[in-house]
Amino acid sequence: ETGVTQTPRHLVMGMTNKKSLKCEQHLGHNAMYWYKQSAKKPLELMFVYNFKEQTENNSVPSRFSPECPNSSHLFLHLHTLQPEDSALYLCASSRRIVESGRNIQYFGAGTRLSVL
Amino acid sequence: AQSVTQLDSQVPVFEEAPVELRCNYSSSVSVYLFWYVQYPNQGLQLLLKYLSGSTLVKGINGFEAEFNKSQTSFHLRKPSVHISDTAEYFCAVSDQGNTGRRALTFGSGTRLQVQP
Repeated sequence: ETGVTQTPRHLVMGMTNKKSLKCEQHLGHNAMYWYKQSAKKPLELMFVYNFKEQTENNSVPSRFSPECPNSSHLFLHLHTLQPEDSALYLCASSRRIVESGRNIQYFGAGTRLSVL
Repeated sequence: AQSVTQLDSQVPVFEEAPVELRCNYSSSVSVYLFWYVQYPNQGLQLLLKYLSGSTLVKGINGFEAEFNKSQTSFHLRKPSVHISDTAEYFCAVSDQGNTGRRALTFGSGTRLQVQP
């Protein structure tokens, strides 16, 4: 148990569906991250939030829409996805974004997404 | 820009044998270095980190890694592996400087398969 909880653990959706992934951290952290993990590829950073403000969008298509209502919760809203978006989506959190890179990131177990 | 190279996608090894997982990085600035482990159907867990000080760092589960600045390497080692060490191992780096990038750059992972 890392203190970062992701729901659902598995999700199957059609290309026309709208769904949301949820991430919640109980560590008192102020920075949260979305990563995409595809088979045989390095983890790809998608979004970074610091104190609820988006500080990084790594050229992610607009069919992925993040939301960070507070420092403990992070959502990833999905709509009109493509089969190539099937992957494991990992959420992470860290104390805060200062002293660049020094803060340890804690990861959730991920949501396994399959787009049909 | 940073990059991380994990030269071996899979490493098979017999139980109680030693193992080394290789990691090389490139960066225009000084970096912090991390190894994460991912067990099946789980998120990433921090194994060890190098932030400063001694170049030999010890982590959980008997793993250690040595930072070699001249060779830009951060290889992971364990003198005697167990079946339970079977997992995917990821090397990652982050900037020390104030570059504005706050997240991790990951390698593509090495699958450690421990055989009885």
